[in-house]
Amino acid sequence: DSGVTQTPKHLITATGQRVTLRCSPRSGDLSVYWYQQSLDQGLQFLIHYYNGEERAKGNILERFSAQQFPDLHSELNLSSLELGDSALYFCASSVTGGATNEKLFFGSGTQLSVL
Amino acid sequence: EDQVTQSPEALRLQEGESSSLNCSYTVSGLRGLFWYRQDPGKGPEFLFTLYSAGEEKEKERLKATLTKKESFLHITAPKPEDSATYLCAVRKGANSKLTFGKGITLSVRP
Repeated sequence: DSGVTQTPKHLITATGQRVTLRCSPRSGDLSVYWYQQSLDQGLQFLIHYYNGEERAKGNILERFSAQQFPDLHSELNLSSLELGDSALYFCASSVTGGATNEKLFFGSGTQLSVL
Repeated sequence: EDQVTQSPEALRLQEGESSSLNCSYTVSGLRGLFWYRQDPGKGPEFLFTLYSAGEEKEKERLKATLTKKESFLHITAPKPEDSATYLCAVRKGANSKLTFGKGITLSVRP
């Protein structure tokens, strides 16, 4: 168990809908990262938050947004969903997010299916 | 553009049959190369970080090495429990982003 909690584990929704994925980092970790994993693209970095502030952004679609709350949990909001958004979404956490040798601890992911 | 390529895509070994997994990268200003293991239905689990060419790290039956263009994950006398997908990732500069390869699915038959 990595200590990172993601909910829900599975989410089935329809095109055009909006969903929220939730992540609780390991106790003491200040950084939260979101990654998308699909069969054809592999693991793709979406966004990184450190202590409530956005630190880095990847190829995150404008329909997607995220935030980190004062208690350090994070939410990833996906709106106007399309079939191609179906994927496994991972949250990871780390102690600071600034050290180059810092390893990430991943949650078990949320499997999103858009029908 | 940064690229991380892993080969082969899939590898099937007999228990005890040693082999190597390859990760080739094209990154300017490499600040770290990471290996992760991912089991079905789970998130990636950290294995190693390598920083400079010539560096090696070992953990049980796994040994990771790094050159200026690629990294190898050597698996010695693998067991069925080593079956998983092995992911390679790079970090460059001060960027916190990790760029992952697509992974190598290893299957070890008893």
